[in-house]
Amino acid sequence: GESVGLHLPTLSVQEGDNSIINCAYSNSASDYFIWYKQESGKGPQFIIDIRSNMDKRQGQRVTVLLNKTVKHLSLQIAATQPGDSAVYFCAENRFGDTDKLIFGTGTRLQVFP
Amino acid sequence: KAGVTQTPRYLIKTRGQQVTLSCSPISGHRSVSWYQQTPGQGLQFLFEYFSETQRNKGNFPGRFSGRQFSNSRSEMNVSTLELGDSALYLCASSLRSNWRGGNTGELFFGEGSRLTVL
Repeated sequence: GESVGLHLPTLSVQEGDNSIINCAYSNSASDYFIWYKQESGKGPQFIIDIRSNMDKRQGQRVTVLLNKTVKHLSLQIAATQPGDSAVYFCAENRFGDTDKLIFGTGTRLQVFP
Repeated sequence: KAGVTQTPRYLIKTRGQQVTLSCSPISGHRSVSWYQQTPGQGLQFLFEYFSETQRNKGNFPGRFSGRQFSNSRSEMNVSTLELGDSALYLCASSLRSNWRGGNTGELFFGEGSRLTVL
């Protein structure tokens, strides 16, 4: 069935280190991918997105990598800060599905001083 | 600019009751979608509305329903509540301007309505 999953449920990093959060997706028809950050008590917040015609996209301190061959997505956060502590979700979307997203299970990022 | 507003934020119901949750999208947004978030199943798509019409629906039983009003505000209803319906219900809006096709627009989520079913 449809699924987007994450390899690690919890990731602990030291402040200042780089973080890498991974995600596997199952449907090769998905052509748009988004990373969301969810802080406690809040709704998911858009971080960065990437379309299937790209392999890499960079934002402010964040980079998303897409490997369509192995259906793998990753989010890299540079110089991780305490404010980055949250649960991170990857989500996939397919052309024609409009605003329907299939979310991964989430990875909790804990940043230690 | 106000964000997506959901009410109520918290509510407790008992099995068999029904519940209605409300969502006010960001001004100017015509597309509203709903998601259920639970520890076991994660974030799951419920349905999506655009210009008062359901455009997409997830794999939930018919007890879950929704609607959208002419001002783009949306409500979702769950009838005959079950313990497993306990969840955070999230509403999101986007600036999509067309009915058909394409990928999602950027979704802006509300803080959710946390439903506990006893």
